[in-house]
Amino acid sequence: DQQVKQNSPSLSVQEGRISILNCDYTNSMFDYFLWYKKYPAEGPTFLISISSIKDKNEDGRFTVFLNKSAKHLSLHIVPSQPGDSAVYFCAASVTTDSWGKFQFGAGTQVVVTP
Amino acid sequence: DSGVTQTPKHLITATGQRVTLRCSPRSGDLSVYWYQQSLDQGLQFLIQYYNGEERAKGNILERFSAQQFPDLHSELNLSSLELGDSALYFCASSVFPNEQFFGPGTRLTVL
Repeated sequence: DQQVKQNSPSLSVQEGRISILNCDYTNSMFDYFLWYKKYPAEGPTFLISISSIKDKNEDGRFTVFLNKSAKHLSLHIVPSQPGDSAVYFCAASVTTDSWGKFQFGAGTQVVVTP
Repeated sequence: DSGVTQTPKHLITATGQRVTLRCSPRSGDLSVYWYQQSLDQGLQFLIQYYNGEERAKGNILERFSAQQFPDLHSELNLSSLELGDSALYFCASSVFPNEQFFGPGTRLTVL
């Protein structure tokens, strides 16, 4: 049962433009969400997170938006740079139960072209 | 470099065999997590240990087991291996559960 879904397996964007990655979840108990970035032959690295008490969190070029009613979150990268080419995973957790037991989406491969 | 090390990097074995994957967490991290990433799938949470004790369990098969030792390194044991167990296995460690640091993974191929 896939509780976190990333329906776009890939995204191609021009350098300097905005990248928008989407993630949907089905479990209404999820209250903490994260995005991880993964380069080939490396483990995922933490990018940004958001708690369910917020609807937006910003860190430099990265902004995560949370729409709890739609059970949807998105990651915006502005402006996109060639070094952003990677696989991006969204993840969700129920902090009141097994805190740290994250459910991950299947990932979105982002390619930033010059 | 996340500070989390995993050995070996690659492992090729046959069906029915048993293997052990090893993880050394970042210095000071008490929690260790194991994940499995099969082809074209996201990371599936397997199990978490905190300071030597099992803390949370995911959909880990009975053929799989893990432990965390007093020096905080962890091992994931996979037995009676099947073709479908071929995957990338990641270990992560953390101080706080909301920011897990991942190792580079062990790629297991079962032939």
